[in-house]
Amino acid sequence: SQQGEEDPQALSIQEGENATMNCSYKTSINNLQWYRQNSGRGLVHLILIRSNEREKHSGRLRVTLDTSKKSSSLLITASRAADTASYFCATVHITGNTPLVFGKGTRLSVIA
Amino acid sequence: EAGVAQSPRYKIIEKRQSVAFWCNPISGHATLYWYQQILGQGPKLLIQFQNNGVVDDSQLPKDRFSAERLKGVDSTLKIQPAKLEDSAVYLCASSLDLGSTEKLFFGSGTQLSVL
Repeated sequence: SQQGEEDPQALSIQEGENATMNCSYKTSINNLQWYRQNSGRGLVHLILIRSNEREKHSGRLRVTLDTSKKSSSLLITASRAADTASYFCATVHITGNTPLVFGKGTRLSVIA
Repeated sequence: EAGVAQSPRYKIIEKRQSVAFWCNPISGHATLYWYQQILGQGPKLLIQFQNNGVVDDSQLPKDRFSAERLKGVDSTLKIQPAKLEDSAVYLCASSLDLGSTEKLFFGSGTQLSVL
C-alpha cells in the first residue's frame, strides 16, 4: 500500500505564483523525499529531508516536515511553465531498511 | 554521466502473451529497483536488487512476474502471462547503495498496454 498521500491531487496556477503541495504519511519515518515527474518521463529527485530536520531549501524549493503531524509540504516559489509536472513524496521507514514508498502525486500545471 | 537506460519504450501485447523489459542502471550503482506505475498513481515497488541478490520482492506477483540481475548490472523483468491489469509504466531505478538516504535515479520507463 502507498504510504504518502499528496494534496491537492491537481493544482493549476499562473506563472510567477507560488505552488504549495502537501504530503501526509502514516508510519514513523527515517526521511522523506520529493520527486518530480514530467509527462512520459521517469522521476527526478528534488530534495531529501531527514526526520530530525524541520525545513530545507534548494533553489526555489522549500520543504518542511512536521513529524508530529506526519506531514510535509513542498513550496515552489516564483513558478515557471517548466515546473509543470507531477510531484511525489516518498518516505523511508524509520528502520531505514525499507525502500522508498511513493504517494499518488500532485499534478501541477503552471500557465504562462 | 549516462542515466538509467530502459527498453523498449513502448510495448503493446494481447492478454496471456509474455513480455520482457530491460534495464541498464547507472555505472557503479549497486542497487536496482523495478517499479510499476499505473496511470494516475505513484510508483509501486515490485523488486529491489543489491548487486545480483534480491533484497525485497514482497510485492512482486510471483505467479506471473519474474526478474533477474545475473551479473549485478543489467536487469530484465518478465511478465508471463500478461493480464489486462498489468497495463502500466514499468520504471527501473538505481542508486549508489542500499542506504536509507540514497536518492534514486529513474529511467524513462516502458509503457505497457495489454489488450
